Amino acid sequence: DAKTTQPNSMESNEEEPVHLPCNHSTISGTDYIHWYRQLPSQGPEYVIHGLTSNVNNRMASLAIAEDRKSSTLILHRATLRDAAVYYCILRGAGGTSYGKLTFGQGTILTVHP
Amino acid sequence: SQTIHQWPATLVQPVGSPLSLECTVEGTSNPNLYWYRQAAGRGLQLLFYSVGIGQISSEVPQNLSASRPQDRQFILSSKKLLLSDSGFYLCAWSPFNGYGYTFGSGTRLTVV
Repeated sequence: DAKTTQPNSMESNEEEPVHLPCNHSTISGTDYIHWYRQLPSQGPEYVIHGLTSNVNNRMASLAIAEDRKSSTLILHRATLRDAAVYYCILRGAGGTSYGKLTFGQGTILTVHP
Repeated sequence: SQTIHQWPATLVQPVGSPLSLECTVEGTSNPNLYWYRQAAGRGLQLLFYSVGIGQISSEVPQNLSASRPQDRQFILSSKKLLLSDSGFYLCAWSPFNGYGYTFGSGTRLTVV
């Protein structure tokens, strides 16, 4: 499975935008980029996913580099409830990696009031 | 709407005792089902996944087994627990031809 690299931790202030980076230089043409987040003592929660184009939903935006070797999850206005571990994951679209999500260590986001 | 149920929420078991964790999904048919384990607070490890009744794929060799007796039921078992089996166990489902996982609330297992 292709690997992702994320910073171990990041900090933000409430009401400010947060840009969470992810490098995936070995991404294949059929890999989707998924983002999940996990609050303490809970299961991960789907945030957003994309293939080539930037994506927006009610939770966040996903900016994907033109060469697809990196992406950035954007939280437009961080709240205290956004404090979580954020995982950037590549999901295979076929073959033996189909449907499986391989989680890395993620980025611990701390939001200060 | 689809929901996933996982129980119990917490469990303390002695070494050598058996284990059975159950996960059920409602509101969908033919889901892909997954068991993950999370140790030390971060990093989820995929243990098993299933694309249909009786079809189980194991990702890592271990002291655990999984079964899918019904379309929307996924069970994680062990005949004899080890200390190293302690962790946070998460069940998840995804549409068989779609994207996006939904996770259960997890079971925190402590083997003593």
